[in-house]
Amino acid sequence: QLQLQESGPGLVKPSETLSLICTVSGVSISSGSYCWGWIRQPPGKGLEWIGYINYSGNTYYNPSLKSRLTIFVDASKNQFSLKLTSVTAADTAVYYCARHVVYGSPTYWGQGTLVSVSS
Amino acid sequence: QFVLTQPPSASGTPGQRVTISCSGSTSNVGRKAVNWYQQLPGTAPKLLIYSNNERPSGVPDRFSGSKSGTSASLAISGLQSEDEADYYCATWDDNLSGPVFGGGTKLTVL
Repeated sequence: QLQLQESGPGLVKPSETLSLICTVSGVSISSGSYCWGWIRQPPGKGLEWIGYINYSGNTYYNPSLKSRLTIFVDASKNQFSLKLTSVTAADTAVYYCARHVVYGSPTYWGQGTLVSVSS
Repeated sequence: QFVLTQPPSASGTPGQRVTISCSGSTSNVGRKAVNWYQQLPGTAPKLLIYSNNERPSGVPDRFSGSKSGTSASLAISGLQSEDEADYYCATWDDNLSGPVFGGGTKLTVL
């Protein structure tokens, strides 16, 4: 049974870097033709796709975040990570990691982690 | 703001049938399969419908999905109080090269 679990600081200061890890269990992150991605949801608002890394190691980012975003895989730990630089209060959200197939939308989600940007 | 358009709210009484629409374009809904999610307060989205009209194991057959052209719909029959939640549609967008979501529909069971 595939499970995803987000982890990372719940509070980040403005202008600093937000770093999150998604630990995958139940399947190898290197197996199959899947995409491993991040989605966020600001408090009281809808879902926003952040970006993903695919089975070939290629990354695709939301153009609105591209200049600040890095997503990478650590296959040895069966994890993938997100780094978002120069954060502001607008980056405050619940961050979800998820898996989807190429040309598809997420089918497996983590439980989400709230990250607040505040001094 | 959202690539896919959903009504912000919907409502119905217990036992009724309600539908939620999701409108897109030829670069997304018109070409790719649509998923629907149910999100209860404080929880992660739960996959409700995938590939336009398929239900994952454990999802009641009261929930059904359909797609025609650049629009998709979620139907809930025999409405129950526990169906009160936010519902989101999602699909792939060829222009963005990534998933896109609707703004969500808040369903109220009166």
